[in-house]
Amino acid sequence: AQKVTQAQTEISVVEKEDVTLDCVYETRDTTYYLFWYKQPPSGELVFLIRRNSFDEQNEISGRYSWNFQKSTSSFNFTITASQVVDSAVYFCALSAVDTGRRALTFGSGTRLQVQP
Amino acid sequence: SQTIHQWPATLVQPVGSPLSLECTVEGTSNPNLYWYRQAAGRGLQLLFYSVGIGQISSEVPQNLSASRPQDRQFILSSKKLLLSDSGFYLCAWSSGSVREQYFGPGTRLTVT
Repeated sequence: AQKVTQAQTEISVVEKEDVTLDCVYETRDTTYYLFWYKQPPSGELVFLIRRNSFDEQNEISGRYSWNFQKSTSSFNFTITASQVVDSAVYFCALSAVDTGRRALTFGSGTRLQVQP
Repeated sequence: SQTIHQWPATLVQPVGSPLSLECTVEGTSNPNLYWYRQAAGRGLQLLFYSVGIGQISSEVPQNLSASRPQDRQFILSSKKLLLSDSGFYLCAWSSGSVREQYFGPGTRLTVT
């Protein structure tokens, strides 16, 4: 069985601060994918990034960066110089490949509030 | 490009009434389709997924059902709604070769 844990329920920062959202996962599969999604107040989930279990390179996209560490089963997400528009709920998710199950297992989400 | 539609956007229904939520995908063929429910302030719970017409897998036993009458159409139904069915229902699709799922705008259901 897969499990994704986002221990931070809510984080509040002031604009321009850096913030890291934690994600820890559990799976017995050797091949899997990890994802981050953003859910703004409108409700629709927006796909941000996918990472496969064989690629531990960190990735940077503008102000966003992701740190994947297999040794600690973590896939953390950092927003640099946060902006008010970053306020949303962020979900980490896992998809196992070995079992062939295509459904995503989501964490409970972290609500990020960026104050002006 | 691919787009996913859901309707209605919001729905208020009394307990015991039937339910039908529809999801359609455009711009792709033979997608995997999913129904999720998100209770207020909580994460997403997978309800059903489908890898093809008429093929439905249920994740959670409950009074909801799903059907896929056409390749790009996914319907969530109930014969009699319960108060606990209230929530935000999201439909998603993914392609066979790619793992990320793309979500629709959602339906906010309130059962009174």
